[in-house]
Amino acid sequence: GQQLNQSPQSMFIQEGEDVSMNCTSSSIFNTWLWYKQDPGEGPVLLIALYKAGELTSNGRLTAQFGITRKDSFLNISASIPSDVGIYFCAGMNYGGSQGNLIFGKGTKLSVKP
Amino acid sequence: NAGVTQTPKFQVLKTGQSMTLQCAQDMNHNSMYWYRQDPGMGLRLIYYSASEGTTDKGEVPNGYNVSRLNKREFSLRLESAAPSQTSVYFCASSERGAHGYTFGSGTRLTVV
Repeated sequence: GQQLNQSPQSMFIQEGEDVSMNCTSSSIFNTWLWYKQDPGEGPVLLIALYKAGELTSNGRLTAQFGITRKDSFLNISASIPSDVGIYFCAGMNYGGSQGNLIFGKGTKLSVKP
Repeated sequence: NAGVTQTPKFQVLKTGQSMTLQCAQDMNHNSMYWYRQDPGMGLRLIYYSASEGTTDKGEVPNGYNVSRLNKREFSLRLESAAPSQTSVYFCASSERGAHGYTFGSGTRLTVV
């Protein structure tokens, strides 16, 4: 089945630094999503991307849908302590069943004040 | 603004015991999902229900059963718990055709 490779697995950064993480797939997706999971909570949707090449921002977060439709990246600018958590990418294709949202294994972000 | 509510939040079971994890959503969503989250494995789909009255297997269905009781509720049952089922379980819902899933806050299950 389809698999997503998300990297890096973890990051330890200083407050104020920029962060970049990415996801790649062996096959194409029609939609890329980025979620954040705070400790002890469920994932929350940050950004949704629907078109190849699309660049979308949400505050300090910017995500892009790769031209090949096989990758996506998420950037966080000027990190702050509340950015701590696990970030998941997810890919989906239209049609077929509803159960086809595929998740990456996550990037665990730690921010040192 | 409840969203997706899961109960219980924590549970410890002995091997062989059974239990049902409850999930309810108040957003009138058609589709509901059960995921498990294990360290280093991300989120893996156990079962989903595209609409009331239908259920389908996901990536890791073995050892689980589900019931879509009505449009609001989707339960996950472990008939005979095993230590390999120690995990954090998340329920999610979405509107058909929409891509943003709303997740509950999880049930942390330990099987000893």
